[in-house]
Amino acid sequence: AQSVAQPEDQVNVAEGNPLTVKCTYSVSGNPYLFWYVQYPNRGLQFLLKYITGDNLVKGSYGFEAEFNKSQTSFHLKKPSALVSDSALYFCAVRDLAYSGAGSYQLTFGKGTKLSVIP
Amino acid sequence: DAGVIQSPRHEVTEMGQEVTLRCKPISGHDYLFWYRQTMMRGLELLIYFNNNVPIDDSGMPEDRFSAKMPNASFSTLKIQPSEPRDSAVYFCATKAAVSTDTQYFGPGTRLTVL
Repeated sequence: AQSVAQPEDQVNVAEGNPLTVKCTYSVSGNPYLFWYVQYPNRGLQFLLKYITGDNLVKGSYGFEAEFNKSQTSFHLKKPSALVSDSALYFCAVRDLAYSGAGSYQLTFGKGTKLSVIP
Repeated sequence: DAGVIQSPRHEVTEMGQEVTLRCKPISGHDYLFWYRQTMMRGLELLIYFNNNVPIDDSGMPEDRFSAKMPNASFSTLKIQPSEPRDSAVYFCATKAAVSTDTQYFGPGTRLTVL
């Protein structure tokens, strides 16, 4: 079974400071990993994904995430936070140990609310 | 492309009434997912389709919930009869078969059952 954990319900950071939103995962095989962002009253928007290759993945709006297989983590980072980054962030995983049409489920974490303080 | 379209955006109904939520996927996307989001349980997958065929409905809470995809351009999620505990935001998401699992979400339907 695949699972993902976001250990922090909320992260507060001052504008201009670096931010990190944590995610750890559990899979049987290799993972596909994703970050999505949700602004108030909106659907989830894709930010970035790790499939294979370089462990550092760059995505939209200056965000990046680092895949760490030994720590089973995929933390989201940004060097300098903006007030407009305030939103709900979701990590998601798919376990590549399963194949076929029935395996295309993503498991989402519970979300981390990021508040960037001016 | 207009993205995933959901209607209505908001629905308020009384307990016992039938509710139908609608989704139009991105053209060419072969997979369609229905999710429910609540504060208590987060984002839950209810059911998903591949080429209009339901693949996994294990997340559907009970028999009051049903989903159909009569063609590649349209899906419905129906709750009959509705209960207050069904109040949530319901999202539809779609993905292309050739993509590496990136799902694209609609704006959601906020359902309130009184």
